[in-house]
Amino acid sequence: DAGVTQSPTHLIKTRGQHVTLRCSPISGHKSVSWYQQVLGQGPQFIFQYYEKEERGRGNFPDRFSARQFPNYSSELNVNALLLGDSALYLCASSWGVAGELFFGEGSRLTVL
Amino acid sequence: EDKVVQSPLSLVVHEGDTVTLNCSYEVTNFRSLLWYKQEKKAPTFLFMLTSSGIEKKSGRLSSILDKKELFSILNITATQTGDSAIYLCAVGGGSQGNLIFGKGTKLSVKP
Repeated sequence: DAGVTQSPTHLIKTRGQHVTLRCSPISGHKSVSWYQQVLGQGPQFIFQYYEKEERGRGNFPDRFSARQFPNYSSELNVNALLLGDSALYLCASSWGVAGELFFGEGSRLTVL
Repeated sequence: EDKVVQSPLSLVVHEGDTVTLNCSYEVTNFRSLLWYKQEKKAPTFLFMLTSSGIEKKSGRLSSILDKKELFSILNITATQTGDSAIYLCAVGGGSQGNLIFGKGTKLSVKP
């Protein structure tokens, strides 16, 4: 079975642009979570979606938004990019709201 | 504020050594504590602990949780160069019920 897949794996943007990151969960998993990992830090929680509903939101500005589709895949959107948004964005899926998360390889975003 | 603190932040050992990684937490609505190994990008799941005093083992790795003192340890015996990675501790809970991660411990195993 395929694990969590994310795209793109790497991307470079300039300040002010927007970006869309995509994630497909493990088959059968209904929950998708997004995390931001800055170099040298642990992952920071951004969003969790379960059955297409937002179940949690971390301390991130409104420039960050996400959604989950009927097939349980998800998108993370970031508008008006700042240099500080440069990070590894990790998507994780789980069967339910709680329990262990299974992570994808991440999308490495560089903002110039 | 919910927090997870790992120590040490980095550690260099030689093959064959035994290491102990520490994780302390202050998290409301505690549900579980998880350990992950991160080598390049994707953190890979190691253990999930929910009950105090019950050791979980997988090969040379073991972990235990103390819910009274609010900490967990991850032991790795007979370390190998392939154990070199960042080990992340995460606690499920808080106001949102999500995983709250520590900064990680970077383990380097020298031949």
